[in-house]
Amino acid sequence: AQSVTQLGSHVSVSEGALVLLRCNYSSSVPPYLFWYVQYPNQGLQLLLKYTSAATLVKGINGFEAEFKKSETSFHLTKPSAHMSDAAEYFCAVSEQTGANNLFFGTGTRLTVIP
Amino acid sequence: DAMVIQNPRYQVTQFGKPVTLSCSQTLNHNVMYWYQQKSSQAPKLLFHYYDKDFNNEADTPDNFQSRRPNTSFCFLDIRSPGLGDAAMYLCATSRDAGQGYEQYFGPGTRLTVT
Repeated sequence: AQSVTQLGSHVSVSEGALVLLRCNYSSSVPPYLFWYVQYPNQGLQLLLKYTSAATLVKGINGFEAEFKKSETSFHLTKPSAHMSDAAEYFCAVSEQTGANNLFFGTGTRLTVIP
Repeated sequence: DAMVIQNPRYQVTQFGKPVTLSCSQTLNHNVMYWYQQKSSQAPKLLFHYYDKDFNNEADTPDNFQSRRPNTSFCFLDIRSPGLGDAAMYLCATSRDAGQGYEQYFGPGTRLTVT
């Protein structure tokens, strides 16, 4: 079965600093990978997705992620954190066949310090 | 402009009293999903509909049922809510299954069981 591991349930960065949120997946076949953001009491919003095209994926709000097969990783980065980036971030994986079910990581709460 | 709509946003029910949560979509997507998200946890898939074809996750309790009367609407029925069913319930849609189609989430319904 597909699974993802998010290292660090809480990450704090200063405003303007680099954001790095880690995600590793387990799969013998490269899956589809997603990053979603969730603000308090709201649904999930897609930031970006990897579907076996370019390994460096650019998303909304200045976020990007790089798929590294050798490391089975799909870490999310943003060069300069903004106060509005404070939220919960979920990495998710789905299989290349089947029902497109998403399997989520446990999430990383990002705090941005002014 | 709303794409996935969930009503109500907040629902309070009594222990053992049946409750229905609703979801509608304006995207004309084939697939609709229901997730349960408990506090500080990742969303967990309960079931999904591919068109009219219902697919239950193996560990979804029988207490949870779903109906999809047409393409636009999907309902989550909790027959006898327990205190452990208090959670955020998220509805999502995707255009199709497989091929890495992204899921679009509604804002969620927060269920409180008293």
